Amino acid sequence: DTAVSQTPKYLVTQMGNDKSIKCEQNLGHDTMYWYKQDSKKFLKIMFSYNNKELIINETVPNRFSPKSPDKAHLNLHINSLELGDSAVYFCASSPPRQNNEQFFGPGTRLTVL
Amino acid sequence: DQQVKQNSPSLSVQEGRISILNCDYTNSMFDYFLWYKKYPAEGPTFLISISSIKDKNEDGRFTVFLNKSAKHLSLHIVPSQPGDSAVYFCAASYFGNEKLTFGTGTRLTIIP
Repeated sequence: DTAVSQTPKYLVTQMGNDKSIKCEQNLGHDTMYWYKQDSKKFLKIMFSYNNKELIINETVPNRFSPKSPDKAHLNLHINSLELGDSAVYFCASSPPRQNNEQFFGPGTRLTVL
Repeated sequence: DQQVKQNSPSLSVQEGRISILNCDYTNSMFDYFLWYKKYPAEGPTFLISISSIKDKNEDGRFTVFLNKSAKHLSLHIVPSQPGDSAVYFCAASYFGNEKLTFGTGTRLTIIP
């Protein structure tokens, strides 16, 4: 019974395509996040949503658009994919109190050819 | 501008001995620190945390030490076990900012 799940686990696509990654959490958490782990293994936050509302938007190209249909889901849509978008994308969630641990999904490895 | 640094990309330790992983930070606003463990092809898993009002937090074999004046924290694992072989990430946050800033990780290998 996975707490934070992501689909797909692997995604291989051509440059210029549009793709989406889905994330769902069944922990009842209010806050969800997207992180990107690049080729140097640096894990960096991209977006954070609290109860379907965007609260953190780091310096991310506007080709990346998060969507939260409800507080259990946070999807990531990427337009016009570029080679540099190749990375592992992690979804995470956390309960609604300050300074708490975040629970991570298994990651989606995106490869852009 | 890397605000959280783990200067040792890898560490090998004999089974049964103590593993010490280090982390340095530059942002004095950070007041909460976490350690995550990551196995290949899995997401990071929370291990242990410490608030800046403490200098030590212990949970079983894992102890985190915080030295605020040096802006340094360390994770001690004792005794080290083969299942501890993983990549360990240090992360930090501060009140009012929910995002975690991660270090680049240290790959720990426990030698049987």
